[in-house]
Amino acid sequence: SQQGEEDPQALSIQEGENATMNCSYKTSINNLQWYRQNSGRGLVHLILIRSNEREKHSGRLRVTLDTSKKSSSLLITASRAADTASYFCATDAGGTSYGKLTFGQGTILTVHP
Amino acid sequence: ETGVTQSPTHLIKTRGQQVTLRCSSQSGHNTVSWYQQALGQGPQFIFQYYREEENGRGNFPPRFSGLQFPNYSSELNVNALELDDSALYLCASSRGGRNIQYFGAGTRLSVL
Repeated sequence: SQQGEEDPQALSIQEGENATMNCSYKTSINNLQWYRQNSGRGLVHLILIRSNEREKHSGRLRVTLDTSKKSSSLLITASRAADTASYFCATDAGGTSYGKLTFGQGTILTVHP
Repeated sequence: ETGVTQSPTHLIKTRGQQVTLRCSSQSGHNTVSWYQQALGQGPQFIFQYYREEENGRGNFPPRFSGLQFPNYSSELNVNALELDDSALYLCASSRGGRNIQYFGAGTRLSVL
């Protein structure tokens, strides 16, 4: 079963605009990760944020985590056509479930040139 | 691209048949996890292998089974295929189960 929901399900923007995707989850986590998937192929790891962190940056990516609300957001700044893909959040509950990722349903991002 | 390779790329089977999917992990990685991704959904965890032992299993029936070999490559076997088994099967490797996972390109299985 899916851990939670991602919002929006689909997002269409122009090149140069910012894209924000949200993820909600249900259980306690050790860390939360974001992945990108192009055209139904393999997933590419983007960024990991641990449960004791609130914000993390990597290049044009900014991730926030609010464990009290069980939610995270991914911001892609200055989007490019090459950013067109599906984006998934995945939670790692830690403990005996360490490394067993639970994914959301994903957000389909389309960036128009 | 990651160093994780999966074979075959595509596969077509009929209901009731058996299938074996293969995964070669990235060099230096001793943990392999398998995920099933139905069309339009996020991946779902099937099971994980660490040093040739099963190390956790998701909500999948026993007809989904796996192996990990001494070189840390892995197989996913599915018996008595059902139509709902049609999906993209993803393999991911990591150095220990606690680290970032690197995914292969997947095997797309169609069950007719």
